[in-house]
Amino acid sequence: EAGVTQFPSHSVIEKGQTVTLRCDPISGHDNLYWYRRVMGKEIKFLLHFVKESKQDESGMPNNRFLAERTGGTYSTLKVQPAELEDSGVYFCASSPRVYTEAFFGQGTRLTVV
Amino acid sequence: GENVEQHPSTLSVQEGDSAVIKCTYSDSASNYFPWYKQELGKRPQLIIDIRSNVGEKKDQRIAVTLNKTAKHFSLHITETQPEDSAVYFCAASGTGGFKTIFGAGTRLFVKA
Repeated sequence: EAGVTQFPSHSVIEKGQTVTLRCDPISGHDNLYWYRRVMGKEIKFLLHFVKESKQDESGMPNNRFLAERTGGTYSTLKVQPAELEDSGVYFCASSPRVYTEAFFGQGTRLTVV
Repeated sequence: GENVEQHPSTLSVQEGDSAVIKCTYSDSASNYFPWYKQELGKRPQLIIDIRSNVGEKKDQRIAVTLNKTAKHFSLHITETQPEDSAVYFCAASGTGGFKTIFGAGTRLFVKA
């Protein structure tokens, strides 16, 4: 069984540019989560999809961040325009149900310069 | 808002010793408490979890305890080995929604 995959693994962009991160969850997992970890800090919740619907997007920092999950399969997280403080590792995770193990992707390390 | 505090941030132990990591959570509605291990350069992976109707759970050298009254839970690793070296994250969910709130992580070093 394929795990959660994220693309790209690394991205270096200039302030003001746009970046789109992609996450392919485990097939059949309705729940998809986005998290971000800034160096040395907690894995911070960004949002949660159930199928194609946004269940909770309370962690999204501002309107420069846009997440989609068309068709309830893969998800994208777009940052536009990127700011320096957006740098960090963005994790995607999926699970078949809530309150169960979340399977993480390997993360996308975003560096905004 | 919901909060999970984790201590210590760094822990160094000698191989064979025990390691204990402690977490507290703010929302009494939390009902699911997973622990994840992230080895260097790898993705976080679940190592053990506990639900609010259980006070303790053990899996070989790893155990987790939960005190709902005090709103804290702990991870215990016995007979530590060098391969236990990693960052460990505690988490809590069930807080008025389905999101999981993570602690800041504990970097565990096991010295051979």
